[in-house]
Amino acid sequence: NAGVTQTPKFRVLKTGQSMTLLCAQDMNHEYMYWYRQDPGMGLRLIHYSVGEGTTAKGEVPDGYNVSRLKKQNFLLGLESAAPSQTSVYFCASSPGTGVEQYFGPGTRLTVT
Amino acid sequence: AQSVAQPEDQVNVAEGNPLTVKCTYSVSGNPYLFWYVQYPNRGLQFLLKYITGDNLVKGSYGFEAEFNKSQTSFHLKKPSALVSDSALYFCAVRGKYGNKLVFGAGTILRVKS
Repeated sequence: NAGVTQTPKFRVLKTGQSMTLLCAQDMNHEYMYWYRQDPGMGLRLIHYSVGEGTTAKGEVPDGYNVSRLKKQNFLLGLESAAPSQTSVYFCASSPGTGVEQYFGPGTRLTVT
Repeated sequence: AQSVAQPEDQVNVAEGNPLTVKCTYSVSGNPYLFWYVQYPNRGLQFLLKYITGDNLVKGSYGFEAEFNKSQTSFHLKKPSALVSDSALYFCAVRGKYGNKLVFGAGTILRVKS
């Protein structure tokens, strides 16, 4: 049982490049989330999904897109990376509402 | 809107001493409150939660938290700190519609031997 895994662990992009971050969970959780973590700002929700085929905007969705084609996977895309998107990105999943979320190890993204 | 505040950026404590990491909340409705810990270069790990019931909640690694409705607080505590407890601690509250968590800015805990 691997829990929540994220690919890749590190990435460096140039401004304007695109990339996709992959999150996978093997706990059969309905809910999945993408956060970004910046110093002094805690975790901010980018997008989330309440089930396969559904997505919704979080607190800071601009510049990101997501897809949940399979229940176990949640993809985060950056179409045209900007230096302001330099951050650590965390994926999480949970079996329902009002319960704890399980986090992946994170992806450190640098945009130059 | 649901929110939490962690008033201390950093807490320093000597090994063996009790520790407290503070959290206050603002919610509409009943609060669902959580504490998470993050070790360097790792994801967040769940420590404990309060949904209902006893005001003193026990969690992982010897941590506990005290829910105080009148003071709208949910402080994290441990009777005897370990150097290995040094990490970044986040308080969180369930969002208004139940399907999100809202995190505080985090508190760095440093335990010195």
